[in-house]
Amino acid sequence: GENVEQHPSTLSVQEGDSAVIKCTYSDSASNYFPWYKQELGKRPQLIIDIRSNVGEKKDQRIAVTLNKTAKHFSLHITETQPEDSAVYFCAASRRGNTGNQFYFGTGTSLTVIP
Amino acid sequence: DSGVTQTPKHLITATGQRVTLRCSPRSGDLSVYWYQQSLDQGLQFLIQYYNGEERAKGNILERFSAQQFPDLHSELNLSSLELGDSALYFCASSVQGTSTDTQYFGPGTRLTVL
Repeated sequence: GENVEQHPSTLSVQEGDSAVIKCTYSDSASNYFPWYKQELGKRPQLIIDIRSNVGEKKDQRIAVTLNKTAKHFSLHITETQPEDSAVYFCAASRRGNTGNQFYFGTGTSLTVIP
Repeated sequence: DSGVTQTPKHLITATGQRVTLRCSPRSGDLSVYWYQQSLDQGLQFLIQYYNGEERAKGNILERFSAQQFPDLHSELNLSSLELGDSALYFCASSVQGTSTDTQYFGPGTRLTVL
């Protein structure tokens, strides 16, 4: 099955700096890569996603890049703010023989220091 | 607020017992997904339903079962509960349930097994 690895597990940045979180996946059939932000005790919230026919997508301070050849995708947050502090999860999904499959990375705890 | 609702918010029960978690998807969404989030295993995909039928299975134990009703709400049944079943259980919904569909998460049910 699919294996999604996420790095780093923790990340601290100064307010205003950029943060980058990287994920790798193993199954070349994966075709959808969302990123979720989860604050303590709350639900995961989709912040950006990318499909396998696109290499890069940007939404204000957040961008995601996808390298299908290398099987990795990254989340970039620019001009970080204290409210960006949360756990971020990457995910990969694909349609399999027995139905869709969804795999999540282990999460990155981001702390933005004011 | 994602529009996905889950009840109850918290559930405390004893080992060996059985519980039912309930989820109502966003208006217009036909597919429902169940996830388990524990401290040591991150987010694990359990099962997906689309318009009343099972569409995909993930790492769901045989002690667990789910169904989606004609009004599209879904229930996750957990039986013969063990201490290790203590976790946050999230439901998510999407419009068509494809592998590239955006999923919207509910607020979760925190299950504590004593």
